[in-house]
Amino acid sequence: QQQVKQSPQSLIVQKGGISIINCAYENTAFDYFPWYQQFPGKGPALLIAIRPDVSEKKEGRFTISFNKSAKQFSLHIMDSQPGDSATYFCAAGGYGQNFVFGPGTRLSVLP
Amino acid sequence: KAGVTQTPRYLIKTRGQQVTLSCSPISGHRSVSWYQQTPGQGLQFLFEYFSETQRNKGNFPGRFSGRQFSNSRSEMNVSTLELGDSALYLCASSSAAGTGREKLFFGSGTQLSVL
Repeated sequence: QQQVKQSPQSLIVQKGGISIINCAYENTAFDYFPWYQQFPGKGPALLIAIRPDVSEKKEGRFTISFNKSAKQFSLHIMDSQPGDSATYFCAAGGYGQNFVFGPGTRLSVLP
Repeated sequence: KAGVTQTPRYLIKTRGQQVTLSCSPISGHRSVSWYQQTPGQGLQFLFEYFSETQRNKGNFPGRFSGRQFSNSRSEMNVSTLELGDSALYLCASSSAAGTGREKLFFGSGTQLSVL
């Protein structure tokens, strides 16, 4: 019940395309869903986060879509750029709980 | 403000040895969490310390232990190393703990290789 599933494992997108990464959770106690971006040789860094009282949050080219009834959320990267090539982790958190991370998606954006 | 600092950056050990990893959090941050990162497994939570007290512990054997000092610096120790312990060990600091909405600031990690 603590698991966060993430797909796809890897993703290749052309420059200018849309990258979509999906995550699903089971524990209804989770109420905070961040996405972290990790470049090679670096630790993950917070990219964007959403709370379940909204269905969508947008920051620049990055958008989180949230479906509370399906317990799913996704990251959309519009106009993907080669500089977006990184590993992306979704995560879930809740009061008094540790963050649970998905297994990660390796994104490659081709020039 | 300096970021989270982890030392050493790389470590090579042999089976049966023990290892100690160090983490200096961002100044003012009192919470330090440790994660193990392996390909395909993502980030697995090891433990969290806040004001020198262990708040939570993940599902890892007792060979994995940690502590936090009064200046919030933290160390993680792995005894009797096994081949499967080879991984990137990440430390994250945050200003708060327990809300489930903290922003985690990660260090670049310590890459441990067990031969």
